[in-house]
Amino acid sequence: QVQLVQSGAEVKKPGASVKVSCKASGYTLTEYYMHWVRQAPGQGLEWMGWINPISGATKYAQKFQGRVSINTDTSISTVYVEVSSLRSDDTAVYYCAREKIRGLYYWGQGTLVTVSS
Amino acid sequence: EIVLTQSPGTLSLSPGESATLSCRASQSVSSNYLAWYQQKLGQAPRLLIYGASNRATGIPDRFSGSGSGTDFTLTIRRLDPEDSAVYYCQQYSDALWTFGQGTKVEIK
Repeated sequence: QVQLVQSGAEVKKPGASVKVSCKASGYTLTEYYMHWVRQAPGQGLEWMGWINPISGATKYAQKFQGRVSINTDTSISTVYVEVSSLRSDDTAVYYCAREKIRGLYYWGQGTLVTVSS
Repeated sequence: EIVLTQSPGTLSLSPGESATLSCRASQSVSSNYLAWYQQKLGQAPRLLIYGASNRATGIPDRFSGSGSGTDFTLTIRRLDPEDSAVYYCQQYSDALWTFGQGTKVEIK
């Protein structure tokens, strides 16, 4: 069965960077786009971007252009999101999610990133 | 970027009633690319509806989606306490995805 297992919680200082991983199993990584979605405490879902694992092509929400990078290591079926120049309002749960049938059907368990001095 | 506006912010209903959730887009959205999600407290979202009106695998037929253009609706019939959650609509256009801000459904 399809599983997306994310890395553990992180605590970072403002201005630092964080890299969250998402290991996929139960299917071939290169067959589906992978997305990253985040959710600040008590807030709604915010789409960050996607990657096409077979080509490496990416697309980001305008808000995250230049500060977020999504990449993949297909040899270990893992997708990453890196957020640089962290601010307190980047504190959120970060989810990876895989497309199926024109929606995000499979989700990781979420990774809490806390930005605090 | 297409903005999705959901209403109402919160719905408080009794078991057995029906809920009608609205999602309005700032410009026309292809029905093929409009989805609805359910998120319960402390859990990842779950895909309910894709293509505006198609239920995802395992979703009971109490959940139905409709609409086109800029106006879409999620209807939940015969509300059950387990339906307490926040519901989000989502669209994609020109390779960009956006979510609505969510509607909270409370079952009294």
